[in-house]
Amino acid sequence: GAGVSQSPSNKVTEKGKDVELRCDPISGHTALYWYRQSLGQGLEFLIYFQGNSAPDKSGLPSDRFSAERTGGSVSTLTIQRTQQEDSAVYLCASSLGRGRNEQYFGPGTRLTVT
Amino acid sequence: DQQVKQNSPSLSVQEGRISILNCDYTNSMFDYFLWYKKYPAEGPTFLISISSIKDKNEDGRFTVFLNKSAKHLSLHIVPSQPGDSAVYFCAASGTSYGKLTFGQGTILTVHP
Repeated sequence: GAGVSQSPSNKVTEKGKDVELRCDPISGHTALYWYRQSLGQGLEFLIYFQGNSAPDKSGLPSDRFSAERTGGSVSTLTIQRTQQEDSAVYLCASSLGRGRNEQYFGPGTRLTVT
Repeated sequence: DQQVKQNSPSLSVQEGRISILNCDYTNSMFDYFLWYKKYPAEGPTFLISISSIKDKNEDGRFTVFLNKSAKHLSLHIVPSQPGDSAVYFCAASGTSYGKLTFGQGTILTVHP
């Protein structure tokens, strides 16, 4: 079956520009997560959506970062006025939701800010 | 403050032998633990999980052991195969849902 998909796979942008990263979760998964992995670092939680509940935004590093999830499915992570320290691999994951926290990851979007 | 720690950056094992990957955590509120495998340029792949009400969970060649009193878990791979060579992450959450806190990863190399 189809797994989590993300687009684009790679994105190079100039400092100060805005970028949008997209995630399509596994069909039927009610929970969706964004993480990022900077060079040489572990995975860092950014934001979590569960059904129609208010998202857990506790991991967003600054107000330049935002995310939305439309129709309980596709999600978009937006980074405004990108900085070089935003360069990382951005990973999306989905899970069945409460009671089962096995999260299944997409291939990631590699963001490079020049 | 790193709440999930994998103190061994790398591990090298001979094919057919056992691989043991270790993970320690500090947050006593964690009660659900997972192991992921990651190849370069791919997202992490879920391997196996364990709830805090158990001390062992087995799936084929993979077994996870949890020692709550020591706040320690380990992943055993028996027998190890060259295709197991990857970065292994342990992760934890405070409930059966919600964000995962990851360790820094251990690079496993299985030699033929």
